[in-house]
Amino acid sequence: AQSVTQPDIHITVSEGASLELRCNYSYGATPYLFWYVQSPGQGLQLLLKYFSGDTLVQGIKGFEAEFKRSQSSFNLRKPSVHWSDAAEYFCAVGKYGNKLVFGAGTILRVKS
Amino acid sequence: DTAVSQTPKYLVTQMGNDKSIKCEQNLGHDTMYWYKQDSKKFLKIMFSYNNKELIINETVPNRFSPKSPDKAHLNLHINSLELGDSAVYFCASSQGQVLSGEQYFGPGTRLTVT
Repeated sequence: AQSVTQPDIHITVSEGASLELRCNYSYGATPYLFWYVQSPGQGLQLLLKYFSGDTLVQGIKGFEAEFKRSQSSFNLRKPSVHWSDAAEYFCAVGKYGNKLVFGAGTILRVKS
Repeated sequence: DTAVSQTPKYLVTQMGNDKSIKCEQNLGHDTMYWYKQDSKKFLKIMFSYNNKELIINETVPNRFSPKSPDKAHLNLHINSLELGDSAVYFCASSQGQVLSGEQYFGPGTRLTVT
């Protein structure tokens, strides 16, 4: 069965510091991978997605993620965090029928 | 213009009641979804409709009944509400069922059952 693990429930970084949010997946075939962001009281917004090709994908708001098949990981990164990035981040894997299986989420706090 | 809208945004009701949540998308998409986000923020798909036809039906109690009157609407009716139904329910839509299709999410409906 497919699963998505986000090992960090909370992460706190200083504004301007770099960020890496971890995501590991368990999936038999070539995965379709996504990162979504949820701001307080809002719905989810797609940051980026990976299907094939270049393993480093660029997304919106300055985020990028790298697919590493050997590590079954799809970690999200940003070189310099802004206070407005404080939110909850969800990694997801896409299953047949366009069903998304989500990880439990990582809450990002940004301190000034 | 709101792409995916849900009403109501908040819903507080008592156990045993029947309630509905409405979802509308103006993106011209043909596939719509309902997700449930529990108190631990764990997000799980419940249903998916493509062109008004049910294509995904996860292990959800039959007290939950989705209804899609047309491609732009997917409503969720819940009978005999239970405490465990308290959650945030998200509607989403996408074009087609291909995994490359981005899903657009609504703002959520926070359901509280007392």
